[in-house]
Amino acid sequence: QSVLTQPPSASGTPGQRVTISCSGSSSNIGSNYVYWYQQLPGTAPKLLIYRNNQRPSGVPDRFSGSKSGTSASLAISGLRSEDEADYYCAAWDDSLSAHVVFGGGTKLTVL
Amino acid sequence: QVQLVQSGAEVKKPGASVKVSCKASGYTFTSYYMHWVRQAPGQGLEWMGIINPSGGSTSYAQKFQGRVTMTRDTSTSTVYMELSSLRSEDTAVYYCARDWGGSLGDVWGQGTTVTVSS
Repeated sequence: QSVLTQPPSASGTPGQRVTISCSGSSSNIGSNYVYWYQQLPGTAPKLLIYRNNQRPSGVPDRFSGSKSGTSASLAISGLRSEDEADYYCAAWDDSLSAHVVFGGGTKLTVL
Repeated sequence: QVQLVQSGAEVKKPGASVKVSCKASGYTFTSYYMHWVRQAPGQGLEWMGIINPSGGSTSYAQKFQGRVTMTRDTSTSTVYMELSSLRSEDTAVYYCARDWGGSLGDVWGQGTTVTVSS
């Protein structure tokens, strides 16, 4: 049972816009930045979004992040076949000692 | 270029310990904290803890307290993660990931597969 809640799956057709949600609480998303990662099969995760809505250099602007209260979302516009991957959200959590919590991951299928 | 290179796959028996290394290059080793994250087969990501390569201070996830030790060697720009009292549930890919201003993982190691089996 992950601390952050994501839908297990999402899908879309090429060119479509899809969103993936991530729900947390006041001790994590509600008071800290949200991060998003993309993991292609058999590879290490890749940082996609940091500090809620910032893209590292090299990440296409088709990927965008947002946060409101204790929830966050990742949006992917102009969906491509190569976007088929697992997506994870993460945040620092201030309960007890500071630690990082992840969502359970969302498997994105491009139909 | 910035790179994290991890040690090779390990097979261990239940009750044993494993020590995974992560060698950093391409940046000032002591300027960036390092996280350890694991992923069991078919499962999601799980945070294990973080180490400050400068002073060696650590913070571990409550789940691993007492079983995990993270250390560093500044002379070789290498961080280590040792997990003891291994059980089958510890079978996973273990990743090191650089912390970038509080952002976990602007750079990741390639992962080290640890298999715990009798």
